[in-house]
Amino acid sequence: EVQLVESGGGLVKPGGSLRLSCAASGFTFSRYNMNWVRQAPGKGLEWVSSISINSNYIYYADSVKGRFTISRDNAKNSLFLQMNSLRAEDTAMYYCARPREGTGTTSDYWGQGTLVTVSS
Amino acid sequence: DIQMTQSPSSLSASVGDRVTITCRASQGISSWLAWYQQKPEEAPKSLIYAASSLQSGVSSRFSGSGAGTDFTLTISNLQPEDSGTYYCQQYKSYPLTFGGGTKVEIK
Repeated sequence: EVQLVESGGGLVKPGGSLRLSCAASGFTFSRYNMNWVRQAPGKGLEWVSSISINSNYIYYADSVKGRFTISRDNAKNSLFLQMNSLRAEDTAMYYCARPREGTGTTSDYWGQGTLVTVSS
Repeated sequence: DIQMTQSPSSLSASVGDRVTITCRASQGISSWLAWYQQKPEEAPKSLIYAASSLQSGVSSRFSGSGAGTDFTLTISNLQPEDSGTYYCQQYKSYPLTFGGGTKVEIK
């Protein structure tokens, strides 16, 4: 069974940093692209970032470019999102997601999310 | 960037009804479209990929159609467990973009 478990969320002051993690199990992590998607309270879904199987291709939403860094450790079956210079508008539930096919870009499997709150 | 526009933003329907949600892309995306369902306090769930392919385990009451710029999600024989918010997403090109969502309420 595919399992994605996010962690690392919490309360942080504006300008601060957080590192989110996503632990993957139940599939061969190194064979799948991965995504981060977020959802602000009461709002819709927003794609944040994607990383390819071997980290050669990385993409970011304009809203986080230059502040967030996606990475992965295939040996540890883990996905990360380093978030710097956090703003109030980054407050959201952050989900990691996996496509149904390794090189796909959809989000067919989702974790339960980790909540990030940016507030003074 | 490709903009995704969903309509309506909300709807209310009765059990047994047939419901249609529309998603329009600002430019052609072939069939690179997915649909998701989200219930309150839960993670989204994938329903359909490639515009019309049903995810494994998803009820056959859900169906998708369309190509190019215009797409529809149809829920046949609406059931109480179908309440929630539905999102379309294009994955033809980055940035990946979602529609604004359609909230489905059961009367």
